[in-house]
Amino acid sequence: QVQLVESGRGVVQPGRSLRLSCAASGLNFKNYGMHWVRQAPGKGLEWLAVITYDAINTSYADSVKGRFSISRDDSKNTVFLQMNSVRPEDTAVYYCAAAALYYFDYWGRGTLVTVSS
Amino acid sequence: DIVMTQSPDSLAVSLGERATINCKSSQSLLYTSNNKNYLAWYQQKPGQPPKLLIYWASTRQSGVPDRFSGSGSGTDFTLSISSLQAEDVAVYYCQQYYTSYTFGQGTKLEIK
Repeated sequence: QVQLVESGRGVVQPGRSLRLSCAASGLNFKNYGMHWVRQAPGKGLEWLAVITYDAINTSYADSVKGRFSISRDDSKNTVFLQMNSVRPEDTAVYYCAAAALYYFDYWGRGTLVTVSS
Repeated sequence: DIVMTQSPDSLAVSLGERATINCKSSQSLLYTSNNKNYLAWYQQKPGQPPKLLIYWASTRQSGVPDRFSGSGSGTDFTLSISSLQAEDVAVYYCQQYYTSYTFGQGTKLEIK
């Protein structure tokens, strides 16, 4: 059974940094590209970032380019999202998702990040 | 950037009736070299993460009931639920993966 479990600090002040983690189990992690997607309260889904299965390539949405960074540690079956200079509009549930090809086969349950002073 | 527009924003259908959700992309999602449309559909039930239903516009994910079907090509796509069940109440999203990744705004499906 595939499980993706996100974790990270819940409340952070504007301008600060935090790192989200997503631990995967039940799948051959090295074969999957990993994504981060967020959902602001009561809103739709926004794709944020991807790291390819081999960690060679990354790509970001314009809304987070230059502030967020995605990375992976295959020895721990974990993908990370480093969030710098956070803003109130970054408040959302953050999901990680695994993609064997392009579409998102598996999703975590998400972790809520609140940016507030 | 490719913009995905779903219609309607919300939909109420009686149990056992057909539900149809449309998705339009701002440019073609058909990759001519492999004749595949780079479009997926996801279902998100309240308080849950999204779940993959359909990929390549019309291929049902393993375990998804066959009352769910996807169709369309190029820029116009449809998700159909042939006989609505109570457990199908959810928000449905289309997503393009032709160039980067973009989701539609979502369609909320309710029981009439």
